[in-house]
Amino acid sequence: GESVGLHLPTLSVQEGDNSIINCAYSNSASDYFIWYKQESGKGPQFIIDIRSNMDKRQGQRVTVLLNKTVKHLSLQIAATQPGDSAVYFCAETGANNLFFGTGTRLTVIP
Amino acid sequence: ETGVTQSPTHLIKTRGQQVTLRCSSQSGHNTVSWYQQALGQGPQFIFQYYREEENGRGNFPPRFSGLQFPNYSSELNVNALELDDSALYLCASSPRTGSRTEAFFGQGTRLTVV
Repeated sequence: GESVGLHLPTLSVQEGDNSIINCAYSNSASDYFIWYKQESGKGPQFIIDIRSNMDKRQGQRVTVLLNKTVKHLSLQIAATQPGDSAVYFCAETGANNLFFGTGTRLTVIP
Repeated sequence: ETGVTQSPTHLIKTRGQQVTLRCSSQSGHNTVSWYQQALGQGPQFIFQYYREEENGRGNFPPRFSGLQFPNYSSELNVNALELDDSALYLCASSPRTGSRTEAFFGQGTRLTVV
């Protein structure tokens, strides 16, 4: 089946800096992607999504970039805060389900 | 908060037993999916229910079964529990089925099999 992977399993950033979390996907037919944030002991929280007909989408302090040529997604978090510390997953959609990678753990250093 | 609620939050069972996990979907959502998340891994798709029928299944054995009720709430049943079934079980609610549909997760049920 499809696989979604992440380049870095851990990322540490200074508070106030920008964070970039990367994700590679393998199914070139995937047409919808979601970024989730998962804090310890909680379920994944929807952050932002992007459809394959877009290259970029912005939310509040977050931006997702999609490069279909190299099958790569990134999540940019501006002015990273301690509350952003969590595991971040990208997910691509199948016919009726999501395929998740292992995740990247973001640690914000005060 | 997503409006997706799961119960119980934690559960300890013995190998060989059976377990039922419950999920209430977000208001207006008719599709419920279940995922298993092992420690340190991403969620793995178990199955999806839409209009009370199974609408897709991942690579899980038949001892994983489910139900969806007319109010769109759902149950996940696991028979003959094995130690490897220990995981966080997540329910996701969607406003519709299909590939371009956002999914919102509950807080999960932590199942420990001993």
